[in-house]
Amino acid sequence: DVKVTQSSRYLVKRTGEKVFLECVQDMDHENMFWYRQDPGLGLRLIYFSYDVKMKEKGDIPEGYSVSREKKERFSLILESASTNQTSMYLCASSPAGTLTDTQYFGPGTRLTVL
Amino acid sequence: DQQVKQNSPSLSVQEGRISILNCDYTNSMFDYFLWYKKYPAEGPTFLISISSIKDKNEDGRFTVFLNKSAKHLSLHIVPSQPGDSAVYFCAAGGTSYGKLTFGQGTILTVHP
Repeated sequence: DVKVTQSSRYLVKRTGEKVFLECVQDMDHENMFWYRQDPGLGLRLIYFSYDVKMKEKGDIPEGYSVSREKKERFSLILESASTNQTSMYLCASSPAGTLTDTQYFGPGTRLTVL
Repeated sequence: DQQVKQNSPSLSVQEGRISILNCDYTNSMFDYFLWYKKYPAEGPTFLISISSIKDKNEDGRFTVFLNKSAKHLSLHIVPSQPGDSAVYFCAAGGTSYGKLTFGQGTILTVHP
């Protein structure tokens, strides 16, 4: 079974703090993704990576950066957290091939920025 | 610009009846479509997919229909069960487009 884990289920941070969200997958998948889920907006892609040290912007990359130093780990960084980044953050991975291959999701991190 | 739209935020169905969830898309480059199911406090899980070369794909109680001319797909669940109560997301992608674009989600509630 594919397992995607995220470092925290719930996180509360203050405006202006630097925030790290970590994601680890154990199935040797090449592709990894970060989404945020907001009511009425569904899942929106922030960044994705198809290989170590490679990254591509998704639909809403502003205010975020990512790091992929190892194949199994993909980190999402909020350089200076703002209240409009309060959201559910979901990490996903998929095997090599097209980027539309079935993606496997982690349980999510609910981030609140005060 | 929402390229994948699920216009019904919620749907309520009686156990044993059919649930029909709808999804519309605008991008003609999309040639692969998926449905995901999400329970509270869990990540979405893959349910069923369809390629644009087909107009129907069936997996047990779940069937996805694709109408390319209308840029519309639907998920049928027959018979519906209380355990099907969840948020359903449709997603679209393309081999030449890359990545997946998700709809807003539809909350399905199946009443016993």
